[in-house]
Amino acid sequence: RKEVEQDPGPFNVPEGATVAFNCTYSNSASQSFFWYRQDCRKEPKLLMSVYSSGNEDGRFTAQLNRASQYISLLIRDSKLSDSATYLCVVNAFNAGNNRKLIWGLGTSLAVNP
Amino acid sequence: ETGVTQTPRHLVMGMTNKKSLKCEQHLGHNAMYWYKQSAKKPLELMFVYNFKEQTENNSVPSRFSPECPNSSHLFLHLHTLQPEDSALYLCASSQAQGTSSRGETQYFGPGTRLLVL
Repeated sequence: RKEVEQDPGPFNVPEGATVAFNCTYSNSASQSFFWYRQDCRKEPKLLMSVYSSGNEDGRFTAQLNRASQYISLLIRDSKLSDSATYLCVVNAFNAGNNRKLIWGLGTSLAVNP
Repeated sequence: ETGVTQTPRHLVMGMTNKKSLKCEQHLGHNAMYWYKQSAKKPLELMFVYNFKEQTENNSVPSRFSPECPNSSHLFLHLHTLQPEDSALYLCASSQAQGTSSRGETQYFGPGTRLLVL
């Protein structure tokens, strides 16, 4: 099982649609969870951290399900500018017991007019 | 946004060249990271420096040599690279490694797009 797994998509949705992405992770000891957004040929940018109680930021809602080891991202009322790749990120521990982030491959979203 | 800067933005080099990538962060962070991003692959962590000490070397070939003279600057020295090393090289920083979720949040530079001929 991959450490962090995402459906690569692409997801093609019309403007105004609601779209949801899931991401599963393999390390039950993971403590930190993030969603990043990456536009074509640009660097990843933090979209939101994911807290255990779930959190919302405008049209974006993130949820964490520890029992099933997955996090989700819900985007409501999609805009053309939401078109990007959404990266799921989870922390883990390296051989020296230092924490590091593990990145998913990303889910590609295209919002169409 | 100029929190993390990288130079050069684009680099073409032959397999016998030596070049260096530079990263600088203006966020007051103590951890800096080098990542490699290739097409169809997730971000690959290469090196981590936490308070100027290297804490991660993710089995990176010795033709890549990092240097962290202080908490604000990070270099990646390149020599005798191979065509398969062509990729986007991203630098990131965070408050510190191994702390809270907030401390682990990473901020990226724009990257150096490297082509090895």
